[in-house]
Amino acid sequence: KNQVEQSPQSLIILEGKNCTLQCNYTVSPFSNLRWYKQDTGRGPVSLTIMTFSENTKSNGRYTATLDADTKQSSLHITASQLSDSASYICVVGGNNRLAFGKGNQVVVIP
Amino acid sequence: EAGVAQSPRYKIIEKRQSVAFWCNPISGHATLYWYQQILGQGPKLLIQFQNNGVVDDSQLPKDRFSAERLKGVDSTLKIQPAKLEDSAVYLCASSLNSKGRPGNTIYFGEGSWLTVV
Repeated sequence: KNQVEQSPQSLIILEGKNCTLQCNYTVSPFSNLRWYKQDTGRGPVSLTIMTFSENTKSNGRYTATLDADTKQSSLHITASQLSDSASYICVVGGNNRLAFGKGNQVVVIP
Repeated sequence: EAGVAQSPRYKIIEKRQSVAFWCNPISGHATLYWYQQILGQGPKLLIQFQNNGVVDDSQLPKDRFSAERLKGVDSTLKIQPAKLEDSAVYLCASSLNSKGRPGNTIYFGEGSWLTVV
C-alpha cells in the first residue's frame, strides 16, 4: 500500500484561478515533507521542504501547509498560470527513506 | 551552477537487448540516486550511492539491473536484458548528503526515456 496518497489525481482549472492539492501520508517516523513540480518530459523540481515543526511554507505563488498530527499536507496554487500545468508530487521523508506519491496532474486552460 | 546531467535523453531498444544510462551529478554532491518512473506513477528508488558506496539497492532488480559509481562522481545504470515492463523514465538525482535529513534538497536530472519494444 502506498504510504503517500494524493488527491485529486487530476484537475483542470481556468487561468487565474486558485487550486489546492491534497497529500495524506502514513509514513512513520516522519522527518520532512516535500512538494515537487514535474513538467511533462522534465525531471522534478523542488518547490518546498517542511519539517515537523513547520506548518506552512511559501515559494512564490505556491504555498504548502503541513499538519503533522493528522498527517496531511496541501499545496495551494494562487492565481494559476499556464506554466503551472504539470504534475505535483508529494514526497515524505522518514527513517532515512523517501516515499513518493503518484502526483496530482494539473492542467491550466486559458 | 550546472544541474544533474543525464544521457541519452531517449532510447528505444528491443526486448532482450541491453542499454546503459549515464549520470553526472552536481559537483560536490556526495549522494547519487537512480529512480525509475513509470508513466502516471511517482518515482521509485532503484539505488542510492553515498560517494562510491551503495546505501540502498533493495528495490533494484539485480538479475537484470546494475549500477556503479566507481570514482564517487558520475554513475552508470545498465539494464541487461531489457523487458517490456522496463519502459520508463530513468531519473538520476543528487544531494549534498543523506536524503533523510530535513532541508536536504534533492536535485533531479531531466531523465532518460526508455522504450522497450
